[in-house]
Amino acid sequence: DQQVKQNSPSLSVQEGRISILNCDYTNSMFDYFLWYKKYPAEGPTFLISISSIKDKNEDGRFTVFLNKSAKHLSLHIVPSQPGDSAVYFCAASVGDRGSTLGRLYFGRGTQLTVWP
Amino acid sequence: DTAVSQTPKYLVTQMGNDKSIKCEQNLGHDTMYWYKQDSKKFLKIMFSYNNKELIINETVPNRFSPKSPDKAHLNLHINSLELGDSAVYFCASRKRGGGADTQYFGPGTRLTVL
Repeated sequence: DQQVKQNSPSLSVQEGRISILNCDYTNSMFDYFLWYKKYPAEGPTFLISISSIKDKNEDGRFTVFLNKSAKHLSLHIVPSQPGDSAVYFCAASVGDRGSTLGRLYFGRGTQLTVWP
Repeated sequence: DTAVSQTPKYLVTQMGNDKSIKCEQNLGHDTMYWYKQDSKKFLKIMFSYNNKELIINETVPNRFSPKSPDKAHLNLHINSLELGDSAVYFCASRKRGGGADTQYFGPGTRLTVL
């Protein structure tokens, strides 16, 4: 039962252009969303997050948009750089309610390739 | 200055053996996790500990036994290894409270069971 879905396994973008990675979720109790970046043979690295009370959060070249009514979030990278090539995981949390202890539910990941 | 470290990075072993993976975090966090990334690349939580207390046990076979000797360490012991246990195992930690759920991950341990 995948509560967080990334339907595009891969995305290829030219350097300098915008990369848009998408994520959908089913659980309306999620109140915190995160994007992680993962290089081969390394652990996921936190990139950016957004609380459910916001619809946008920006950090440098990275912006995350949240559409709660559509249960959809997206990560925009502008401009894309070759070093951004990695697997991007979307994750969601219901926080510390009950015994969840901030557990993260992950999507399957999207492989982003930025070519020169 | 590794924040979350795991040993070993690679582990190759025979079916039926018992093995352990160690995890340490130097971030002063209260909560630690074990995740499994299977062949389909899904990252799924296995266990969570808060201040050495088991909080989440996500229907993992009882051949898997986590142990937290102190807040900074969460080890994973696996008995009677099976082929299906082959995966990458990630340890993570989080500072509880403050509204932030950011977890910091270790580099992973790739377990191969032959």
